[in-house]
Amino acid sequence: QKEVEQNSGPLSVPEGAIASLNCTYSDRGSQSFFWYRQYSGKSPELIMFIYSNGDKEDGRFTAQLNKASQYVSLLIRDSQPSDSATYLCAVHSGGGADGLTFGKGTHLIIQP
Amino acid sequence: GAVVSQHPSWVICKSGTSVKIECRSLDFQATTMFWYRQFPKQSLMLMATSNEGSKATYEQGVEKDKFLINHASLTLSTLTVTSAHPEDSSFYICSARGGASDEQYFGPGTRLTVT
Repeated sequence: QKEVEQNSGPLSVPEGAIASLNCTYSDRGSQSFFWYRQYSGKSPELIMFIYSNGDKEDGRFTAQLNKASQYVSLLIRDSQPSDSATYLCAVHSGGGADGLTFGKGTHLIIQP
Repeated sequence: GAVVSQHPSWVICKSGTSVKIECRSLDFQATTMFWYRQFPKQSLMLMATSNEGSKATYEQGVEKDKFLINHASLTLSTLTVTSAHPEDSSFYICSARGGASDEQYFGPGTRLTVT
């Protein structure tokens, strides 16, 4: 059973600070890792993806992957109130046409 | 790029009727489309995977005769909920993936309410 674990939160962060979101996964063979943002009542929006160990930066977002620890994180710098949403971690095991396995998401609140 | 649309965005139907939901990739060819379901305050659960021109692969516990999936072209997949019941009320979201990339792009979702 493939599992993706996230702290459900809510995680409250002051505006302008760094928000740190964490995710662990059970399938050691997982190859691709994604972070989606989901506003209430809306569908997920892809923010970042990462395939290799280390850091990947895109604007205010940095994804970090550690396959040995089966851990992936998302850092949001200079947090804005508009960043308030649920952040979903998703994992793809690779090969074939498998869908993504999602965590339950972390609810992030940026306090003005 | 990578825009996926769904229609309808919401639908209300009576118990026992069937509902069809369309998912289209607007600016790329989707070799694979996925259908997910999300209940309130829950995460997305994969229902099935469909490749253009072949039968869909359903996840364990998802009834293939109840949730009919057709992927007739590289830009269109449909999900038909047959004989819908109130417990089928949920947020149905499709996603599409093109080429060799692993990234999936989601449609805006369809909120189904069965009365």
